[in-house]
This record gives sequence, C-alpha cells and structure tokens, in this order.
Amino acid sequence: DIQMTQSPSSLSATVGDRVTITCRASQSIGTYLNWYQQKPGRAPKVLIYASSSLQSGVPSRFSGSGSGTQFTLTISSLQPEDFATYYCQQSYDLRTFGQGTKVEI
Amino acid sequence: QVQLVQSGPEVKEPGASVKVSCKASGYTFTNYLMHWVRQAPGQGPEWMGIINPSGGGTKYAQNFQGRLTMTRDTSTSTVYMELNSLRSDDTAMYYCARKDCSGVICYEVYWGQGTLVTVSS
Repeated sequence: DIQMTQSPSSLSATVGDRVTITCRASQSIGTYLNWYQQKPGRAPKVLIYASSSLQSGVPSRFSGSGSGTQFTLTISSLQPEDFATYYCQQSYDLRTFGQGTKVEI
Repeated sequence: QVQLVQSGPEVKEPGASVKVSCKASGYTFTNYLMHWVRQAPGQGPEWMGIINPSGGGTKYAQNFQGRLTMTRDTSTSTVYMELNSLRSDDTAMYYCARKDCSGVICYEVYWGQGTLVTVSS
C-alpha cells in the first residue's frame, strides 16, 4: 500500500499569511496527487487535482506543485474561510489519504 | 445537479452489521464508479472500497476484506455498503463519493453528506 505523510500536522497562521503544506508519498506516484479541504461536520472538498490543477470554483490563492514523491499545497494569502483541515490523497493506486494538516489561528 | 443522499445515523452493538445507502441523482448512475470512505473521530479519511454501478464489480481495501460488501440497485440508483462484525473502532462517519476523472487523473468532487455509525454496547 502507498503511504502518504503530511507535515506539519497543525500550524498556526494569521489572515494574509502564506501557508505551505507538504505531502510525501512512500513511492513514486507521478502527479496522481489531489488536495482536499475539510471543515468540521462537512465532507472533504477537492481543491487541487493532478498535483497542480485548480478545481473549478476554487480561489486562485490555492496552488499545488510536485511530482514523484514530494508535493506541496500553498495558500498565497490566508483568508478567514481557509481555516480548516487539509488532506492530500494519492489516486495512483486505489486511494490513500494523508493524516491531515489543521490550519488554525 | 449531482446529489448523493445517504441514509441516517446508526447505533449498533459490537458484533452486529450495518448497511448504509447512498442514493444518486442528477446524472447517469451507471456511468460513474462510487467510492466508500470512512473517517473516525479526529482522524483522516480512510478508503474502504469502490463499486462499479454498471456491472456491480467491487474492490475492497485489504483492511476490510471479509467484512465489507458493496452492492448496488440500478432501479433506484442506490449503492449500499454493509460492514459486518462491527467493533468499537468502526465508529466513524461513512461517506460515499463519486469517482470523477480529468484525463487519467481521478478524484472525488461529489460526496454524500455522511452517515454516522456508532458502535457501542
């Protein structure tokens, strides 16, 4: 099974900050990497697919990069509605999610 | 619009079984595979398996082999997830999620609202 490891597990930030979250795969997955945002009591929402493609309707302050085993999600200027938990997900072989990164004030 | 509507919360005793439904609307049911994903309190999502509503074919995560069954009813556009021999650590929110693809990359845009399954004596 492919394991996904995110860092950090949580971070404190302020509105306007640039935030970077890292995800590492246990083996090469090309660009089969997606990022989700989840708020309490809600299902995950896809932000980025194929490592760097922005899902329709998602603000452009979200961006993704990487290939192989190392990936990054960046929020260029954190907004109040961005405080949430973020998960990476590999879709190279079935599905595996990272353990999450909670972005809080 | 695409909608996935799941059945209501369940409370089960250890050793029992639970069957959760996910009714799809707003698209051709047999054209899209459906995942089941669960999330224990305070944990990340865990992929359980996938079903092809067209032919009924399934693939399950190793962790659930022997305990998990996914089925579908094309007449009602509904997929089902049944988990047997429930344990306390099966307490979680269970989601269905439609598999969507852009080229060769696939991901999940549409999710059900979730069904809370609580296992407790």
